[in-house]
Amino acid sequence: QSALTQPASVSGSLGQSITISCTGTTSDVGTYNLVSWYQQHPGKAPKLMIYEVTKRPSGVSNRFSGSKSGNTASLTISGLQAEDETDYYCCSFVGDNTVIFGGGTKLTVL
Amino acid sequence: QMQLQESGPGLVKPSETLSLTCTVSGGSISSSPYYWGWIRQPPGKGLEYIGYIRHSGSTFYSPSLKSRVTISAYTSRSQFSLNLRSLTPADTAMYYCGGALDGTAAFQIWGQGTMVSVSS
Repeated sequence: QSALTQPASVSGSLGQSITISCTGTTSDVGTYNLVSWYQQHPGKAPKLMIYEVTKRPSGVSNRFSGSKSGNTASLTISGLQAEDETDYYCCSFVGDNTVIFGGGTKLTVL
Repeated sequence: QMQLQESGPGLVKPSETLSLTCTVSGGSISSSPYYWGWIRQPPGKGLEYIGYIRHSGSTFYSPSLKSRVTISAYTSRSQFSLNLRSLTPADTAMYYCGGALDGTAAFQIWGQGTMVSVSS
């Protein structure tokens, strides 16, 4: 199973919105509404930001939202803040009780 | 709120077996709605799913690691473990334990991670 495809980096200015894409196949993202997104600051454990494509865990800012179209899922961050600058990973269920992660995207806030 | 803490050796020799333990506090691992798993991250690289164990004791592993992995649970001690056999330097990574709400395929809670280096 190949990793999901994410852009290596994205950037946006303070206050603006950005979208990170996560492209899979009909065997994963395209079939299951079990896509999640994680934020990981350097030296820290990942933090769940979005699950089941669009749901936010308690305590996660509503500036973070998720969506999916076909084989591609997306994470949108609105009102960019300096603290959002870090790495983001997508993850999808692929059946057979297995998940796969994307390669990660480094977000730079200008 | 449940919290997780990994423990284990920081250095292991090639061909040996890695044994890691995750201790769960703040709740019972058998009665909580989570299933318990392991994820790793090589230095400077992305996340890799290893596997998980359900309340029933059923285990599920990544196809790429299935032949070398065993995950077990010790409910009386609120712990679950990872055994990874036949280590190579490619297994050098930060190893995280995590808990995922059943049915979501998403890890809501994470340990802080433990770094494991495979070297002679």
